[in-house]
Amino acid sequence: SQTIHQWPATLVQPVGSPLSLECTVEGTSNPNLYWYRQAAGRGLQLLFYSVGIGQISSEVPQNLSASRPQDRQFILSSKKLLLSDSGFYLCAWTLRANEKLFFGSGTQLSVL
Amino acid sequence: QKEVEQDPGPLSVPEGAIVSLNCTYSNSAFQYFMWYRQYSRKGPELLMYTYSSGNKEDGRFTAQVDKSSKYISLFIRDSQPSDSATYLCAMTYGQNFVFGPGTRLSVLP
Repeated sequence: SQTIHQWPATLVQPVGSPLSLECTVEGTSNPNLYWYRQAAGRGLQLLFYSVGIGQISSEVPQNLSASRPQDRQFILSSKKLLLSDSGFYLCAWTLRANEKLFFGSGTQLSVL
Repeated sequence: QKEVEQDPGPLSVPEGAIVSLNCTYSNSAFQYFMWYRQYSRKGPELLMYTYSSGNKEDGRFTAQVDKSSKYISLFIRDSQPSDSATYLCAMTYGQNFVFGPGTRLSVLP
């Protein structure tokens, strides 16, 4: 069966520090991968999605970036964090368009 | 107008009650519909996935889709305290997934 792993679960970082969040999917090949951010009491905001290695689509201009170095690995990065980057970050995957979307366990990021 | 709207607002019900959660959408391109349950500080868990207009039942959960009215619902029968969570509706066409803002449900013992 397929599983998605996301880490770390919690992260506290100072303003201006770098960020790297990692997500991997097991048990499937060539998944579509997504990064979402969920601010407190608000809906899910799509940040990036990828349909293949090296293929990244950005939905929101910001100081975050994403990379997909391997088929089942998706990384969210920042060179310098802002206070506004605080939030709950979720990785998700689907096998193909219109299929079920499955989420990881999330990373709570606090930028202080 | 938001692409997906969800009601009611925060909801508190007694244990055993029937809960009705609803979403409306404006884009007729949406073809597939989902309901997620999200506990605090956890990733959303997929509860229901539907395509056709009509009802789909899974245990205590029933998902209802009315494409002509652009309206979907989730019914929870015999609600339990463990159902206390935020419920998100979602819909998709192609690679795009759009989510409602969520309804926070509290089931009181």
